[in-house]
Parts: sequence; structure tokens; C-alpha cells
Amino acid sequence: SQELEQSPQSLIVQEGKNLTINCTSSKTLYGLYWYKQKYGEGLIFLMMLQKGGEEKSHEKITAKLDEKKQQSSLHITASQPSHAGIYLCGADGGGTASKLTFGTGTRLQVTL
Amino acid sequence: DAGVIQSPRHEVTEMGQEVTLRCKPISGHNSLFWYRQTMMRGLELLIYFNNNVPIDDSGMPEDRFSAKMPNASFSTLKIQPSEPRDSAVYFCASSLFLAGYNEQFFGPGTRLTVL
Repeated sequence: SQELEQSPQSLIVQEGKNLTINCTSSKTLYGLYWYKQKYGEGLIFLMMLQKGGEEKSHEKITAKLDEKKQQSSLHITASQPSHAGIYLCGADGGGTASKLTFGTGTRLQVTL
Repeated sequence: DAGVIQSPRHEVTEMGQEVTLRCKPISGHNSLFWYRQTMMRGLELLIYFNNNVPIDDSGMPEDRFSAKMPNASFSTLKIQPSEPRDSAVYFCASSLFLAGYNEQFFGPGTRLTVL
């Protein structure tokens, strides 16, 4: 079965600083989904990557999928308190299965 | 659309009682997922349905857990009897699964506490 490892597990950054979260898969990624979760709430979809080398951005968040398609990174530029939460990556194993396998999550705190 | 709707939002019960969690997926979606989230184990997939048919229930921890999807607009997750170790946040998610694209939409979750 596919496993996803996220690093770091938790992160505390000062407002305005940049940060990177990594997601490494034990198998080839056919689709990689990034979600954000605020405490006590459900997961909110951020973006999806599919092709090796693909990069997408939304506001100050950029995600990349490496060429070998087994790792993705999420980069936040000039972090703000609104970026705080838990970031999870989810992987599509390909084929006809509609399920996603999720990583363990990275908890981000942004201090003033 | 109102998004994925879950009820109740919070449930506190005593060990041994039956618990039923409910989910209404987004209209038109063809896949529905039940997850459990804890600090120790993270987000775990319990079971998922495609077109109302259970496809993979390998994540269901024990026979005490059961899930049904009688129609495209409703699903239940039942725990009977409940135990303290079942305390967690349970999420329902739905998606319109298309080849190569599988964005899942999550409900707000049900926080279950078993005393």
C-alpha cells in the first residue's frame, strides 16, 4: 500500500517568513492533492498536481511535484497568521480506485 | 450547494451505547468516503463507496463498525457497541471521481467522545 511521509511534523514561523513542507511517497504519485485544515474544521482543498515537474500557485502558496513523481513540496511565501493550520498531502494511487491516501500532516503555527 | 453535511457535529455517549453518524454528500457526486482522525493515527480511511456500493472497507477497525449508503444522497456510519478508544473526529467526504482527477470535498466532521 502507498504511504506518505510529511516533514516537518510541526513548524513555528514568524509572520513574514517563508517556509516549506515536504511530502514523500513510497510509490509513484499519479495525483498529489494538498489540503489545509483549521482546528475543529474539515479539510479544504488547496491544489492538485499530476505531472512530473508541475508547479501551481494560489496566492502566496506554491506547490511542486518533482520529476520522478515521488515527492511534492508546498512553499508559503511571507507567511501570515491566516496560514496557520494543518497541511495534509493526499495521493491518488492511479487506476480506477477513487480513494486518496493521506500523509500524517504538518502543523503550522505563525507567530506575530 | 451547501457542501457535505454531517450530523451531529458533536456526540458524547457512554461506553456500550450505539452511535450513528450521518452524512449527506454533494449532489451529483459518485463517491463517498468515511474517515477517522486522531492525534495518534492521523487521518484514516475507514470505508468508501462508488455509486452507493461499498468498494473498500479494509479500514473499518472492527465488526462493531458498519456503514451503509442506501441512496446517492445519504450515508450512515454506525458503531455498536461504542468504546472509549472510538473517540475521534469522523469526517465524511464526497467526490465526482473522474479518471485522473479525484478532488474530495470534506464535511465539517463529527467529534465523538465515548466515556
